Amino acid sequence: DVKVTQSSRYLVKRTGEKVFLECVQDMDHENMFWYRQDPGLGLRLIYFSYDVKMKEKGDIPEGYSVSREKKERFSLILESASTNQTSMYLCASSPLGQGKSGANVLTFGAGSRLTVL
Amino acid sequence: SQQGEEDPQALSIQEGENATMNCSYKTSINNLQWYRQNSGRGLVHLILIRSNEREKHSGRLRVTLDTSKKSSSLLITASRAADTASYFCATGDSGGYQKVTFGTGTKLQVIP
Repeated sequence: DVKVTQSSRYLVKRTGEKVFLECVQDMDHENMFWYRQDPGLGLRLIYFSYDVKMKEKGDIPEGYSVSREKKERFSLILESASTNQTSMYLCASSPLGQGKSGANVLTFGAGSRLTVL
Repeated sequence: SQQGEEDPQALSIQEGENATMNCSYKTSINNLQWYRQNSGRGLVHLILIRSNEREKHSGRLRVTLDTSKKSSSLLITASRAADTASYFCATGDSGGYQKVTFGTGTKLQVIP
């Protein structure tokens, strides 16, 4: 069964802490995504990566950075967590990378619920 | 900014009735997808329609796409209590980076 695995289901951090959210996929997918989900706002794209070491800003990248050193792993980093980053974070992967034709169907992880106090 | 806006935000129907959700988007797209999310979990892909298609069916699901109006609808026929979930539309852009952006979602409750 193919999977996207997010390392932590629930995290509680303090304001100013550095936070790492890890995501691993076992499908050899090219693309990986980080979204945050908030009530009434749906899913908002933070960053995505279409290849190793490549990244593109999404709609709300401020306060976040990402790392993709290996194809299967995509990390979301909060350099200095703030209370307004309390949210559900969803990682996804899809098979098609840059310039590839076809439709990108996403496979999601179960989500990481982050609370910043 | 959000690419897709869904309407209604919430919908409550009786089991056996049909449920219709609408999605509007802003820019040109390559395809449009619908996903489902059960409470507190990740999203699951339901159906995809390409920009050159107008209608698509999958089981009890029917999706339409009107690119001139930049809108899509998802119809679930003969709804069941197990269909209770949030439903999101997602658009794939026509650029080269395969960016996928989501709408705000419709929360569907099917009452047994």
